[in-house]
Amino acid sequence: QVQLVESGGGLVQPGRSLRLSCATSGFTFSDYGMNWVRQAPGKGLEWVALIYYDGSHEYYADSVKDRFTISRDNSKNTLYLQINSLRAEDTAVYYCTRGGVECGGGSCFAAYWGQGTLVTVSS
Amino acid sequence: EIVMTQSPATLSVSPGERATLSCRASQSVYDNLAWYQQKPGQAPRLLIYGASTRATDIPARFSGSGSGTYFTLTISSLQSEDFAVYYCQQYNNWPPSGTFGGGTKVEIK
Repeated sequence: QVQLVESGGGLVQPGRSLRLSCATSGFTFSDYGMNWVRQAPGKGLEWVALIYYDGSHEYYADSVKDRFTISRDNSKNTLYLQINSLRAEDTAVYYCTRGGVECGGGSCFAAYWGQGTLVTVSS
Repeated sequence: EIVMTQSPATLSVSPGERATLSCRASQSVYDNLAWYQQKPGQAPRLLIYGASTRATDIPARFSGSGSGTYFTLTISSLQSEDFAVYYCQQYNNWPPSGTFGGGTKVEIK
């Protein structure tokens, strides 16, 4: 079965950097576009970034451009999110999601979700 | 950037009643629209994609409709397990993005 397991969250000071990982299994990782979605405490869902199945294209929400970098290693079936210059407003649960088979390897709805990893930015 | 607006913010419904949730896009997203359900402490779950296609194992009481800029999610007869927050999301192909609406909380009346 499809599994997405995020890691790398924790308590981080403002201005520092963090790299989140999403280990996947149960499907052919290199066939699917992947996304990061975040949810601040008590708030709604915010799409953060998309990477195409082959890593050829990356897209970001305006709110995170220039500080966030999405990447993937298809040989390790793993998705990453590098977050630089962390701010208090980056405090959230970060989910990794996989697209549906219907979409090919690009922009898609989130057919599968991990359980999320909590990032807390505070001094 | 496409903006998604959901209404109402909160919907109070009695079990067994029908619930209709709305989602509006600031520009056409064609039928690239999905609905999700989220319960407290859990990750969201996909309900509907392509505006009207139910995801695997989603009960028939959930239905989606609409295209372009206006969409609805209907729950025909609310069950106790349906009280949750519902989000719409556009996943337009160009420019690629995945903006969510602000959510509708369906609560017990």
